[in-house]
Amino acid sequence: DADVTQTPRNRITKTGKRIMLECSQTKGHDRMYWYRQDPGLGLRLIYYSFDVKDINKGEISDGYSVSRQAQAKFSLSLESAIPNQTALYFCATSVAGSGRNNNEQFFGPGTRLTVL
Amino acid sequence: DQQVKQNSPSLSVQEGRISILNCDYTNSMFDYFLWYKKYPAEGPTFLISISSIKDKNEDGRFTVFLNKSAKHLSLHIVPSQPGDSAVYFCAARTKTSYDKVIFGPGTSLSVIP
Repeated sequence: DADVTQTPRNRITKTGKRIMLECSQTKGHDRMYWYRQDPGLGLRLIYYSFDVKDINKGEISDGYSVSRQAQAKFSLSLESAIPNQTALYFCATSVAGSGRNNNEQFFGPGTRLTVL
Repeated sequence: DQQVKQNSPSLSVQEGRISILNCDYTNSMFDYFLWYKKYPAEGPTFLISISSIKDKNEDGRFTVFLNKSAKHLSLHIVPSQPGDSAVYFCAARTKTSYDKVIFGPGTSLSVIP
């Protein structure tokens, strides 16, 4: 099945460590996104990408970087993790202006990251 | 300041009754609104949407109402079923920031059998 997958699903790390979260999709979508979810705040956009050469900052990009290695792969890095980056991270994909569900985004299952 | 607000963190409803989830927004430039549903340990999934040129959109048991003058929308689920128990996120975007979807904090719905 065409899908959005995220690895790892859970990760515990220590302050100051570098960590990478990976996202892969088989939907053939050109647009990919990284969000974080915190209790009481909903999902907030970190970065998004229209294609391999087009990366854009979202609402809360400080402390994060991304890499779009291929149309199907979009990774999120925390160069030096800190405790307030503890959150649930979601990757999503979309294709613009398609059909009835304009800009519907398809989400992966999430990565639960804990920074001690 | 949150541009999309869902002031009820949780809601409990009896099976078969109507569930009404509310959402308020502050940005008058929002022109498209979406509802996503999220089960535990899964990513959100799209449920229903509405354009600002409409005031109602219906899809089976789910209906979204938009009141632009009040900057308010609501999701009605009739009849509610136990499988509807999930967190519901209201989301919105503007015409000029097509990919920057703003999500509300979510409302956790419990449908009691």
